[in-house]
Amino acid sequence: DVQMVQSGGGLVKPGGSLTLSCVTSGFSFKDAWMTWVRQGPGKGLEWIGRIKTAPFGETTDYAAPVSGRFAISRDDSKNTLFLRMSSLTTDDTGTYFCTTAVLHFDKLGWGAFDSWGQGTVVTVSP
Amino acid sequence: QSLLTQPPSVSAAPGQTVTIPCSGGGADLGNAVSWYQHVPGTAPRLLIYDNDKRPSGVPDRFSGSRSSRSFKSATLDITGVQAEDEADYYCGTWVRTLELFGGGTRVTVL
Repeated sequence: DVQMVQSGGGLVKPGGSLTLSCVTSGFSFKDAWMTWVRQGPGKGLEWIGRIKTAPFGETTDYAAPVSGRFAISRDDSKNTLFLRMSSLTTDDTGTYFCTTAVLHFDKLGWGAFDSWGQGTVVTVSP
Repeated sequence: QSLLTQPPSVSAAPGQTVTIPCSGGGADLGNAVSWYQHVPGTAPRLLIYDNDKRPSGVPDRFSGSRSSRSFKSATLDITGVQAEDEADYYCGTWVRTLELFGGGTRVTVL
């Protein structure tokens, strides 16, 4: 079975930094493009960014609100995904999910998010 | 503000059909649409991928469709809605290298 276990959330002051982790099992992590999604209080799901696999240069892409402040990385030897968040603001408060496509892809090979971590809460407050 | 527009809420009695539109705002985004169910406090669940395909284990009362010529809109139907379907529903697609979610629709079963 696919498992994605997240850790690293917590309370941090504005301007601070935090790193989230997502330890995976049950699928070929090294072959999976990995994504972070968040949900702010009272808001909808928001795509944060993605890291591709080694054959694609582990290229990262980010949504505009986090570009330059957040960094996604991966350790294929440990099947683990990371999200390094810096210069945090209160707008970054929310529940953060790691996610990926394991089984479900469209005709162009683009994956739909069929596997998710349990979510971890990040609170940015003075 | 998402480029994918959904109504904030819909409601229906048990057994009725719920239709949730997802609009690209007149723009042709051109790529496949997915749909997700999200009960707050849990992980989202994939309901539909590649516009109209249903993963194993998703009840057949959930169906997806999309304009045949271009993505200006897509639709999620819940035929015979049940109390357990009360949740938030999101459409999603990808544009160049980025991915988008709709603003979400809260489904209330009366």
